[in-house]
Amino acid sequence: DAGVTQSPTHLIKTRGQQVTLRCSPKSGHDTVSWYQQALGQGPQFIFQYYEEEERQRGNFPDRFSGHQFPNYSSELNVNALLLGDSALYLCASSLGGAGNQPQHFGDGTRLSIL
Amino acid sequence: QKEVEQNSGPLSVPEGAIASLNCTYSDRGSQSFFWYRQYSGKSPELIMFIYSNGDKEDGRFTAQLNKASQYVSLLIRDSQPSDSATYLCAVNWSGNQFYFGTGTSLTVIP
Repeated sequence: DAGVTQSPTHLIKTRGQQVTLRCSPKSGHDTVSWYQQALGQGPQFIFQYYEEEERQRGNFPDRFSGHQFPNYSSELNVNALLLGDSALYLCASSLGGAGNQPQHFGDGTRLSIL
Repeated sequence: QKEVEQNSGPLSVPEGAIASLNCTYSDRGSQSFFWYRQYSGKSPELIMFIYSNGDKEDGRFTAQLNKASQYVSLLIRDSQPSDSATYLCAVNWSGNQFYFGTGTSLTVIP
C-alpha cells in the first residue's frame, strides 16, 4: 500500500526563481493538503485540493499556487522565491470531503533559497 | 483567532515511565484533534486522533480530550528511547484546515 510520495526530496533555488513540487496521495485518498514547516515550528497550512479545485486556503500570498490532477496527484508552485520561503514543504493526503479526516504526510521536500 | 499551544519542552522522562504531553486550543468550536510524532529531519507521522470527550487508547498511547477546558493530552506508557521525538498537536475546526502547535520535544532517557 503506497503511502504519500513527494518529489524532489531536496531543492536549491535562488531568489526570484520559480519552483514546482509534486505529490502523489496515499492509495485510496482523494484530498491533498500542502503545508510549510519552518525550522522549529509546526506545519502551516497553505491550501487543500479536492475534486481538482482549491477548497480552502491558508494565509499565504498568491505566489503560492497549486493544482490537482484527475488521478488526485498535486503540484505546489511558488513564484518569485524569497529567502523566507526556505522550509520543509509537506504534502498530506486524506479521504473524502469531510475536513476532520486524518491526514497522512509524505516525507516532504526541503527547499533552500540562496 | 485560532491557536494551538504546546509547551516546547524539552520533556525528559526515564525509560519505562509515563510521558504526558499537553495541548490547549483557543476556540471551543473545534471538531477533531490529532497527535503526530516527528523525528528530527523527518515528516510528521499520525499517532492518534480523537473526536469526543474522554479517553481513547491505542497500545501504549492514550489521548484524552476535555472540550470544556479546551485541552487535549497524549499519554505514552512504558516510554522507550525510540519514542524520543517532537510531538505535534493538530486541531481541526469547521472547514478543512489543520492548525498545528509548535510541538513538544520528548527525550526518553535509557
